[in-house]
Amino acid sequence: DAGITQSPRHKVTETGTPVTLRCHQTENHRYMYWYRQDPGHGLRLIHYSYGVKDTDKGEVSDGYSVSRSKTEDFLLTLESATSSQTSVYFCASFPGETEDEQYFGPGTRLTVT
Amino acid sequence: EDQVTQSPEALRLQEGESSSLNCSYTVSGLRGLFWYRQDPGKGPEFLFTLYSAGEEKEKERLKATLTKKESFLHITAPKPEDSATYLCAAPHPLRTGGYNKLIFGAGTRLAVHP
Repeated sequence: DAGITQSPRHKVTETGTPVTLRCHQTENHRYMYWYRQDPGHGLRLIHYSYGVKDTDKGEVSDGYSVSRSKTEDFLLTLESATSSQTSVYFCASFPGETEDEQYFGPGTRLTVT
Repeated sequence: EDQVTQSPEALRLQEGESSSLNCSYTVSGLRGLFWYRQDPGKGPEFLFTLYSAGEEKEKERLKATLTKKESFLHITAPKPEDSATYLCAAPHPLRTGGYNKLIFGAGTRLAVHP
């Protein structure tokens, strides 16, 4: 268990409102990732971070921003939520040293009405 | 295009009925192939990493194998507790700087009935 938590675990919000999801890891992993999971699409990378204040876009980054001010925290922000952003969001971390596998958090189910 | 494709989309087995899940990939310069298990309402849990064709890894009733074009997850004498979605993933070919961007397949939903 890589010690990754996500908050909130469930959220319902209205179209047009800002939403921030939080990922917290206790393993001191350098790399962190945000994915969304939708039926038929598997996991798709939104944004990732390769260090404090170092982030880059994934394949489905439009409408999302991220920030990482501390090694342990990686925030995902939906500036103005849309119904197409209804999904399950997973955070993952990766030590980047001797191991190659990513460790995933429990997920956040977001519903935009 | 770099892709990871899993089949079948869903599989229903009777307890004890062995079968295999397929993961085919077109990722150039493959640097590893990952298998994860995902239970409903939870995040993916790492199972195996395979690095080269011919490599095999086992864990309880699961055995993962890798060829130059695909990977198989063999399930021997499955039990109901093996019911889950199984995901495979490959690192993006533009991996640099030590980080690991993964391309995931859509998964195979396995249901094992008593």
